[in-house]
Amino acid sequence: GDSVTQMEGPVTLSEEAFLTINCTYTATGYPSLFWYVQYPGEGLQLLLKATKADDKGSNKGFEATYRKETTSFHLEKGSVQVSDSAVYFCALIGGSQGNLIFGKGTKLSVKP
Amino acid sequence: NAGVTQTPKFQVLKTGQSMTLQCAQDMNHNSMYWYRQDPGMGLRLIYYSASEGTTDKGEVPNGYNVSRLNKREFSLRLESAAPSQTSVYFCASSVISGGSSYNEQFFGPGTRLTVL
Repeated sequence: GDSVTQMEGPVTLSEEAFLTINCTYTATGYPSLFWYVQYPGEGLQLLLKATKADDKGSNKGFEATYRKETTSFHLEKGSVQVSDSAVYFCALIGGSQGNLIFGKGTKLSVKP
Repeated sequence: NAGVTQTPKFQVLKTGQSMTLQCAQDMNHNSMYWYRQDPGMGLRLIYYSASEGTTDKGEVPNGYNVSRLNKREFSLRLESAAPSQTSVYFCASSVISGGSSYNEQFFGPGTRLTVL
C-alpha cells in the first residue's frame, strides 16, 4: 500500500544552519504531497504542499519540490531559527480511501 | 473562528472505564477525522466521516466508536479503555475528503489520554 518514509530524528542544528529533511514515498499514480509541522504542545499545521510533479511548495522560508523520478519531497530551509524547533511530518493523499498517510515525523531542535 | 476544538485536553482513565472525546469545527467543513499519535509511529487514522451521516474505519479502528452528531461535531468513544489506548488523539477537518489536491486538513490541539 501507499506509504511515506522520512529520515529518522532527532535532528539538532545551530541557528542559521541549512536544513534538509528527507522524505520519499510509495504510491500508485501521482498523489498530492504535504509537509505538516507540529510545534510543542500543539496540533499539526500545514506547512506547504505540492499537487503535481515538479511543483515546488514554499512557506516561511521552507521549500520542497515534488520529484516523481525519485519519488521524493525533501524539505529544505536555508537558515533555520530557534523558532523552527518542532516535529515535521511528510504526508500524501493515498490509499484506497484517499486519506492522508503520514510519515513517522522528524523532530528538529535548533540551538542558539 | 475557533477552527477545530477538542475536549478534554487531558484525561486519565482506569482500565475498563469509558469516555467520549469531543470535537467540533466552525469552518463548515464536510469531512472530519480522528487520529492517534504515538511515539515513533506518526499519526494513524482511527475513523473518518466524509460527510454528515457517514462514518468509515481507518487504519486502527479496533476499540473505538464514532458518532457524527451533525456537520460540526464528531465524537470518539472508548467503550472499555485499555492501556494500549494511551496516546494523543487529534481531530481534524477538511472541506472534502478523498484524493483532491485541496484536501487540506485542519487539526485541533489534541487530547492527551492515559489509561492506567
